[in-house]
Amino acid sequence: NAGVMQNPRHLVRRRGQEARLRCSPMKGHSHVYWYRQLPEEGLKFMVYLQKENIIDESGMPKERFSAEFPKEGPSILRIQQVVRGDSAAYFCASSPPGPKETQYFGPGTRLLVL
Amino acid sequence: QQQVKQSPQSLIVQKGGISIINCAYENTAFDYFPWYQQFPGKGPALLIAIRPDVSEKKEGRFTISFNKSAKQFSLHIMDSQPGDSATYFCAASRKAYNTDKLIFGTGTRLQVFP
Repeated sequence: NAGVMQNPRHLVRRRGQEARLRCSPMKGHSHVYWYRQLPEEGLKFMVYLQKENIIDESGMPKERFSAEFPKEGPSILRIQQVVRGDSAAYFCASSPPGPKETQYFGPGTRLLVL
Repeated sequence: QQQVKQSPQSLIVQKGGISIINCAYENTAFDYFPWYQQFPGKGPALLIAIRPDVSEKKEGRFTISFNKSAKQFSLHIMDSQPGDSATYFCAASRKAYNTDKLIFGTGTRLQVFP
């Protein structure tokens, strides 16, 4: 059973460009979480999605950030008009339906904004 | 009230010694306390987790001690090995309606020297 997959693993963008980060959950997992990790810091929750629904987006910045988890295909975290402060590692985690506490993390996407 | 405080920030232990990392929380609604291990360039991996109905959980060389009245929990790594060198994060979550995001501590960088 393959783990959580994220791509790309590394992404370089110039200020003002768009960044698209993809996450494929583990097989059988219908819940997806996105977290951001700034250098030398812990992970901060951004958004929690189920198929076609955003359940909790209390950690998402109000502007430029959006997330989706369509019926088919991976979850996408989209950052529009990136700024240098968006440089971070973005991790996706997934969990199965039912008892939801165990979240399995992907390897992350390291975003660098020049 | 959503914070999880973790200490120490860094820890150096000799091979064979005991590594102890402490965490404290404020929100009494938290009911799930996992520990994650993260190697450089990788995603966090679930190490061990505990619920507040038990005071201790042991898995191999890793033990979680939980003090509900003090709102504290700690990770003990017995017989520490160089391969344990990594960053460790404590976390907490609560069984709220439709959301159970993880609140992470700031991490402890453990170095085990031979």
